[in-house]
Amino acid sequence: NAGVTQTPKFQVLKTGQSMTLQCAQDMNHEYMSWYRQDPGMGLRLIHYSVGAGITDQGEVPNGYNVSRSTTEDFPLRLLSAAPSQTSVYFCASSYHPYGQRGNIQYFGAGTRLSVL
Amino acid sequence: SQQGEEDPQALSIQEGENATMNCSYKTSINNLQWYRQNSGRGLVHLILIRSNEREKHSGRLRVTLDTSKKSSSLLITASRAADTASYFCATDFDQGAQKLVFGQGTRLTINP
Repeated sequence: NAGVTQTPKFQVLKTGQSMTLQCAQDMNHEYMSWYRQDPGMGLRLIHYSVGAGITDQGEVPNGYNVSRSTTEDFPLRLLSAAPSQTSVYFCASSYHPYGQRGNIQYFGAGTRLSVL
Repeated sequence: SQQGEEDPQALSIQEGENATMNCSYKTSINNLQWYRQNSGRGLVHLILIRSNEREKHSGRLRVTLDTSKKSSSLLITASRAADTASYFCATDFDQGAQKLVFGQGTRLTINP
């Protein structure tokens, strides 16, 4: 049981390049989300999904796109990378977005992205 | 922003001592969670406390919640060097619990 798997672990881009950060989970979780973490700050929500075919914006969605064609995968696309997108990106999943168990999230190991 | 605020930002104590971290938030919540992050790793869930609970225990962890003050505390008793990490509180503000909002974290260092 791998949990939440993120690839790549590290990436360096030039300004204007595009790329996709991959996220996959094998726990059959309905809820998946993407966060970015910057020095001295907590995690900020970029986009999230409550199930296949359903996505919504978080706190900082500009410059990022997502799609959710399957329960397992939730890729994050950077359309035209900017230095301000240099950050550590975390993908997370949750079995119960609603109800008594609360939104307990399982995190991947992260992708460290540098945009030059 | 509805982000929670954590206090202190950094805490350094001797092994064996107790560590207390605090989290304040701004609006009503369904529940509050605490997560731990070791350097260079993802976050790991520690404990969840619901809005109708006042205290919860898990091993050496004790969490309290005061909804009237909109604050929570995480106590780690008998600290160990392996407890060195950053600790984050997270709250869900949305009725559907779809979004978690994380605090900025407390960096805890346990000195041997």
